[in-house]
Amino acid sequence: NAGVTQTPKFQVLKTGQSMTLQCAQDMNHNSMYWYRQDPGMGLRLIYYSASEGTTDKGEVPNGYNVSRLNKREFSLRLESAAPSQTSVYFCASRTLSGRNIYEQYFGPGTRLTVT
Amino acid sequence: DAKTTQPNSMESNEEEPVHLPCNHSTISGTDYIHWYRQLPSQGPEYVIHGLTSNVNNRMASLAIAEDRKSSTLILHRATLRDAAVYYCILRDVRGSTLGRLYFGRGTQLTVWP
Repeated sequence: NAGVTQTPKFQVLKTGQSMTLQCAQDMNHNSMYWYRQDPGMGLRLIYYSASEGTTDKGEVPNGYNVSRLNKREFSLRLESAAPSQTSVYFCASRTLSGRNIYEQYFGPGTRLTVT
Repeated sequence: DAKTTQPNSMESNEEEPVHLPCNHSTISGTDYIHWYRQLPSQGPEYVIHGLTSNVNNRMASLAIAEDRKSSTLILHRATLRDAAVYYCILRDVRGSTLGRLYFGRGTQLTVWP
């Protein structure tokens, strides 16, 4: 199993440009999450998807949109990037059944710089 | 969500035990105590969790105070690979929270050879 994969690993955008961060998991997990981590800080939840077909806002959703494309994939879109969105973005997933229900599995992150 | 308080940083020597403290004086009866760690340039990874009783797994042990207002993550023999930021997180298992995790700044553990 590859676990949680994210693309791209690095990205530099100019202010106002748009882009989509991709996330996929091969563990048949129900729930998926997008977090951002600013330097020296903990992670903050942007959006989450409890199951295929549903999405909800987290702590810091402004400036972002998400799509739960299918059970495997959960994408994060920046429509008009701003320097304040410079951060490391992590995708995570979680099963809703079985012995690992309490664990979130994180991807390696996407490092985004907006100039 | 109930808050946790952790020291900003701790240091240890390799092969020595490490006790990472966490205070959570406003914990509620339905809050589980979770620990995650984040190695440099990686995403967080699950370490351990518990509710009331002490817990052991292959990575660490979790000691929970009887009043549940504090807990301690114990690494029995620190290795260089254990150098990471350790996050103590409370997660309410009721209803709509759907497993959301609220990360603080955590404790930066430095392990010296």
